[in-house]
Amino acid sequence: EPEVTQTPSHQVTQMGQEVILRCVPISNHLYFYWYRQILGQKVEFLVSFYNNEISEKSEIFDDQFSVERPDGSNFTLKIRSTKLEDSAMYFCASSEERTPTEAFFGQGTRLTVV
Amino acid sequence: AQSVTQPDIHITVSEGASLELRCNYSYGATPYLFWYVQSPGQGLQLLLKYFSGDTLVQGIKGFEAEFKRSQSSFNLRKPSVHWSDAAEYFCAVGANTDKLIFGTGTRLQVFP
Repeated sequence: EPEVTQTPSHQVTQMGQEVILRCVPISNHLYFYWYRQILGQKVEFLVSFYNNEISEKSEIFDDQFSVERPDGSNFTLKIRSTKLEDSAMYFCASSEERTPTEAFFGQGTRLTVV
Repeated sequence: AQSVTQPDIHITVSEGASLELRCNYSYGATPYLFWYVQSPGQGLQLLLKYFSGDTLVQGIKGFEAEFKRSQSSFNLRKPSVHWSDAAEYFCAVGANTDKLIFGTGTRLQVFP
């Protein structure tokens, strides 16, 4: 069964450092998303991406965040200068059609900022 | 604004017992409703979804959910729980935007 793959599963970084979280969406999917879940809180939408541009973003997705599809398979989330409050589980998702149709989620990357 | 409430943070049931996980939503029109499950170390897996039509929807792993507009609810049920059902369950609502709004999740523990 096709799946969304995220790497790394866990990343520890120092405050102020840049991090790149990587995702390989399902190959025939056209819509891509990032969500995050701070420990003990809700899963929150960050951004959606379609046709090589941001389709929608939340208020969380400020100038410190960026997304890119550098090639035909990867979808990345970059945080330029990490803060302690960026510590969270980050989920990538993809879908064939624009949500709210079925989105397939990866297993997540746990980011710890120290 | 859309919102989702899952009133139960943690539920414990015995294997073989029935299960109902509660979900209430707030949205002005008919929402798109989802239940996802997250097993330890795994991603979010879709159990079932409701878009329109029959208000009782069947999902994978023997789960079902019923949409009740009058109660703004979309509760998840299973008649007989298996130990492998222990996981975190998330209710989510979507509308005519790209984002899904998730609840805080309910952690299910199953005793043998």
